[in-house]
Amino acid sequence: ELKVEQNPLFLSMQEGKNYTIYCNYSTTSDRLYWYRQDPGKSLESLFVLLSNGAVKQEGRLMASLDTKARLSTLHITAAVHDLSATYFCAVARFGTGNQFYFGTGTSLTVIP
Amino acid sequence: DSGVTQTPKHLITATGQRVTLRCSPRSGDLSVYWYQQSLDQGLQFLIQYYNGEERAKGNILERFSAQQFPDLHSELNLSSLELGDSALYFCASSEGDLYQETQYFGPGTRLLVL
Repeated sequence: ELKVEQNPLFLSMQEGKNYTIYCNYSTTSDRLYWYRQDPGKSLESLFVLLSNGAVKQEGRLMASLDTKARLSTLHITAAVHDLSATYFCAVARFGTGNQFYFGTGTSLTVIP
Repeated sequence: DSGVTQTPKHLITATGQRVTLRCSPRSGDLSVYWYQQSLDQGLQFLIQYYNGEERAKGNILERFSAQQFPDLHSELNLSSLELGDSALYFCASSEGDLYQETQYFGPGTRLLVL
């Protein structure tokens, strides 16, 4: 079974600072996804990374993928309070029955 | 608003019972995915349907089953419920089949088994 690990699990950061969330996975995957979940709410898709070296940016968030290292990062630039949420990465494997595995999530709190 | 609807929003039932959760995808989306989120198991993929056919199966228990109807709405049936089935159940939809596009999530159904 494919394992997906995120770190840190909890992150408290000040507004204006930069930080990176890491997502490691145990075997080859075909797609890497990032999601956001606000407390008590549903999930929101942020990024879909399709290939090695892929980089996507939206506002203060930038995601990248290194398939050789089996690592994806979600970089937060100049954090603002509105970014406080839990962030999940997930990986997909295609083949005999597509599979989809989530990381444990990183709970981010941005302090004013 | 993602355009994905789920009913009911909340469900309280007893152990041993059976419930049905319903999901209507966004207009034009052919894939429906079901996920379970609980404190001890985290987020888990359960099953995917594409245009009425099962496409992928994750950690779905044998007591659970799902189907997608010709109008593309989907139902997740949970039977012989146990306390550990208490969780938030999300469905999501996307246009295509192979997770290449953004998935849009519904608001979820919160199930409490007493």
